[in-house]
Amino acid sequence: DQQVKQNSPSLSVQEGRISILNCDYTNSMFDYFLWYKKYPAEGPTFLISISSIKDKNEDGRFTVFLNKSAKHLSLHIVPSQPGDSAVYFCAASATGNQFYFGTGTSLTVIP
Amino acid sequence: KAGVTQTPRYLIKTRGQQVTLSCSPISGHRSVSWYQQTPGQGLQFLFEYFSETQRNKGNFPGRFSGRQFSNSRSEMNVSTLELGDSALYLCASSVDQETQYFGPGTRLLVL
Repeated sequence: DQQVKQNSPSLSVQEGRISILNCDYTNSMFDYFLWYKKYPAEGPTFLISISSIKDKNEDGRFTVFLNKSAKHLSLHIVPSQPGDSAVYFCAASATGNQFYFGTGTSLTVIP
Repeated sequence: KAGVTQTPRYLIKTRGQQVTLSCSPISGHRSVSWYQQTPGQGLQFLFEYFSETQRNKGNFPGRFSGRQFSNSRSEMNVSTLELGDSALYLCASSVDQETQYFGPGTRLLVL
């Protein structure tokens, strides 16, 4: 049972435009969410997190939005750069429990 | 601080053999989690150790086991290897179930 879903396996965006990556979850007990970026042959790199008490968190070009009623979170990258091309994973957990990861979205930023 | 290290980085085994993977967490991190990544499956949670105790466990067969030492280093063991065990095995450490920081992974190929 996939509790965290990323329904878009891939996304292509022009350099300088906005990239929006989406993630849906089913467990209403999840209260902590993270986004990771992964390059081939490397482990995932932490990007940004958000707790359920917030609906937005911003760090430079990266902003995560959380819509608890819709059980949906999204990662916005503005402006997108070619170096952002990677696979992005969202993850969620309920306090004290394991993290559940989505299957990833492969982002390609076209120069 | 040094990041999470995993050894070996690559491993080739044959069916029926066993394998032990090692993970050294970031200094001061007491939680170590293990994940299996296969194409199209995202990151599947194996187990989490905290202060030498298994705290959470995913839905993997008993052939997959782990342990954690007093210095927080962790090992994962897979016995009676199957072809389907070929995957990237990732270790992640955190202070205590907060943001997880991943190692580069061990790529296991079972022939």
